[in-house]
This record gives sequence, C-alpha cells and structure tokens, in this order.
Amino acid sequence: GQQVMQIPQYQHVQEGEDFTTYCNSSTTLSNIQWYKQRPGGHPVFLIQLVKSGEVKKQKRLTFQFGEAKKNSSLHITATQTTDVGTYFCAGRVDSSYKLIFGSGTRLLVRP
Amino acid sequence: GAGVSQSPSNKVTEKGKDVELRCDPISGHTALYWYRQSLGQGLEFLIYFQGNSAPDKSGLPSDRFSAERTGGSVSTLTIQRTQQEDSAVYLCASSSIGADTQYFGPGTRLTVL
Repeated sequence: GQQVMQIPQYQHVQEGEDFTTYCNSSTTLSNIQWYKQRPGGHPVFLIQLVKSGEVKKQKRLTFQFGEAKKNSSLHITATQTTDVGTYFCAGRVDSSYKLIFGSGTRLLVRP
Repeated sequence: GAGVSQSPSNKVTEKGKDVELRCDPISGHTALYWYRQSLGQGLEFLIYFQGNSAPDKSGLPSDRFSAERTGGSVSTLTIQRTQQEDSAVYLCASSSIGADTQYFGPGTRLTVL
C-alpha cells in the first residue's frame, strides 16, 4: 500500500544546532503537509506544499518539496527549546481526502 | 472560534466492555477524520466522513470498530468488546470543504485494563 517513510525517528540536538527531518513516499504525492505535535499535545498544522520543487520558509523553518513530488524535508535553523516535539509529514495522493502520515521525527533540544 | 473538541479526555475501561468516544468538529467543517495514535507512534487513519457521502471506513482495524456522524456534525467512534491492544490516543480532526488543513482535537486517551 501507499507509505510515507520519515527519518530519523529521533534527533537529540544542542540548542542552537540545526535539525532536519526527511520524508519519502512510495508514490507521487499531490501535496504534502507538515504538522508539529508538542509532548502531550495534538498535531498542529504547520504548512502545505503543492508544487514540484517548492520551498517555503516560516522564520527558522524551511520546508521543501522534491522535484518528483515524492520527498520532502523540514529544516530548522538554530534550534530552540520551544522547537521540542514530534514533526509529522503527511502526504495526499491524487484527489483523495486521505492523508498518509509519516511515522514522525521526535526532536529533543538540550538547553 | 472554538476548535475541535473531544470527550472524554481520558477513558479507562475493562477488557470486553464497549466504549464511545465523541468528537465535535469545528462549526461548518464538512470533513471529519478519526485517527489512532499508539504511544510514541504515528497517526493511523481509521475513518473519514465528508458531508452526506458514504464514509471511507478502510482504516477501521476490525468489525469491533464503528463510527457514525449525525446531522453532518458530531461524530461518535464506538469500540465494542475492547481489547488491551485498543489502548491508544484517539484523535479526531476536521477540515472545511475544499481546504486541506486538518484541525485536530485534543484526543481521547483510552486505556483498556
């Protein structure tokens, strides 16, 4: 079936270091979304990418969608303790309403 | 405005009992999703409702699981004869028609003893 793989599973960084999480889909995606889930919280929408090769920035966060629309990445520059949480990518295939979530990357930041 | 709400926030039940979990989506949102999240894991799709269309039940793990959505608004997820492996956080999300962003509720943490 359709799968979205996400790596790494965990990342433990020193505050101020950069962080990147990667998603790869077995099939071409119509769009990809990113969500953040704080410890004990629920997923919160961050951004959606639709176009091949698209790059979007939100302050220290940079999101990329691959040229083939099968992979995506989230890069955080100079992490802060407020960045702690699990980051999920979620891909949509064709016109389906169903989102296929990656397994998430849990980010821990040492102050 | 009000977000997605879910009740109860926590539910502890004994193996074999039935449970009902409730979701109140954002007013006006026609799409409603249920997901299951086991400890430290990702989100597992369960079921999707869109307006008056037939729901997509492809993610329900067994016939012990069912869900309904009354009046295109509130949804109830029912788990019959609960098993210990049903223990997880059950998340509900809604989205407006034509929009892709899903807004999640706080979830119901289900513990089956």
